[in-house]
Amino acid sequence: AQRVTQPEKLLSVFKGAPVELKCNYSYSGSPELFWYVQYSRQRLQLLLRHISRESIKGFTADLNKGETSFHLKKPFAQEEDSAMYYCALSGLGSARQLTFGSGTQLTVLP
Amino acid sequence: DTAVSQTPKYLVTQMGNDKSIKCEQNLGHDTMYWYKQDSKKFLKIMFSYNNKELIINETVPNRFSPKSPDKAHLNLHINSLELGDSAVYFCASSQGDLDNEQFFGPGTRLTVL
Repeated sequence: AQRVTQPEKLLSVFKGAPVELKCNYSYSGSPELFWYVQYSRQRLQLLLRHISRESIKGFTADLNKGETSFHLKKPFAQEEDSAMYYCALSGLGSARQLTFGSGTQLTVLP
Repeated sequence: DTAVSQTPKYLVTQMGNDKSIKCEQNLGHDTMYWYKQDSKKFLKIMFSYNNKELIINETVPNRFSPKSPDKAHLNLHINSLELGDSAVYFCASSQGDLDNEQFFGPGTRLTVL
């Protein structure tokens, strides 16, 4: 079974401070991990995925198979980063549908 | 040029009614999905569908049924609406086996009175 855990429901940081949103997963095979973001009253959109190994809007995430984690990090948070962040996992075959974590609401304070 | 669109954006209805939400994607994707986002913002897969396979989350009541007239559309029909069905419903699409990045619609906020 696929499972994604985001332990923090709410996270507040000050502008310019580093931010880390935690994500742990459970999956018996080789998963594909994603971070999706939902800004206020907007649709979900892909932020980044582990296979692309890109930095998007200053965010990075490294897949750590030993710790089964895919934490999202940004060294200097901006107010416009305030949003709901979802970690998601996709398996193989019919398990390719996304399993989402419960989400972390990030608030960046001025 | 909207990639994934849903109608209506808002839907307010009485308990016991039957309603539908429409979803269309113009990305040429093979697979479409329906998700439910509850009041606590928890996002849960309801269905995934391509021309080969319908996968239903076993926790979804059979009052919910997806209907796909063609590859670009996956509509959600809900019978005998209940108060607990109030939520935001998101449609999404992906290329399926080739690439599982999912593109989401704007959501439909359903309120059951």
